[in-house]
Amino acid sequence: DAEITQSPRHKITETGRQVTLACHQTWNHNNMFWYRQDLGHGLRLIHYSYGVQDTNKGEVSDGYSVSRSNTEDLPLTLESAASSQTSVYFCASSGNRNTEAFFGQGTRLTVV
Amino acid sequence: QKEVEQNSGPLSVPEGAIASLNCTYSDRGSQSFFWYRQYSGKSPELIMFIYSNGDKEDGRFTAQLNKASQYVSLLIRDSQPSDSATYLCAVSHASGGSYIPTFGRGTSLIVHP
Repeated sequence: DAEITQSPRHKITETGRQVTLACHQTWNHNNMFWYRQDLGHGLRLIHYSYGVQDTNKGEVSDGYSVSRSNTEDLPLTLESAASSQTSVYFCASSGNRNTEAFFGQGTRLTVV
Repeated sequence: QKEVEQNSGPLSVPEGAIASLNCTYSDRGSQSFFWYRQYSGKSPELIMFIYSNGDKEDGRFTAQLNKASQYVSLLIRDSQPSDSATYLCAVSHASGGSYIPTFGRGTSLIVHP
């Protein structure tokens, strides 16, 4: 069955370190998204991609970057982790038609 | 800024009752509307989608869309304790040839026996 997987599921890192969260989907979807979810804020869009070599900033992109070298993967990098980036991160993908987004299991990131 | 608004709740209903969840959105150009359910510590999963004005029913769930009022709702009939979760409204708008889902903050539903 097609799926979308995130790794790691949990991560503790120190302030100032670079961290990369992985997202891999086997749906063959062109669209991929990264969201963060915080209490009181819901799901907020960080970055998104419509296809290979395409990346776009979302509403809370400062301090984050993504790259899309193939259809399956959209890694999210925190350039210099800050305590404000402690959150649960969800990767999602969707097809070209205006259809639902499928979510990964989430990564809980703690920056200490 | 495209916004999706939901009452955070919690909405508490007795088992067997109808739960009514509401959502408003700001972008009149929005084209697709989704309801996701999210259990604590889990990822969101799709319950319903609706594209056209009116009602759409799927089992115990009914989604209602009124584009003129920019309003989407989800009704859950015969609510069960297993329906206790956070319900996220998502609105999709076209951008750069594809679609971006924007989520509300979610409404917490508690179904008590």
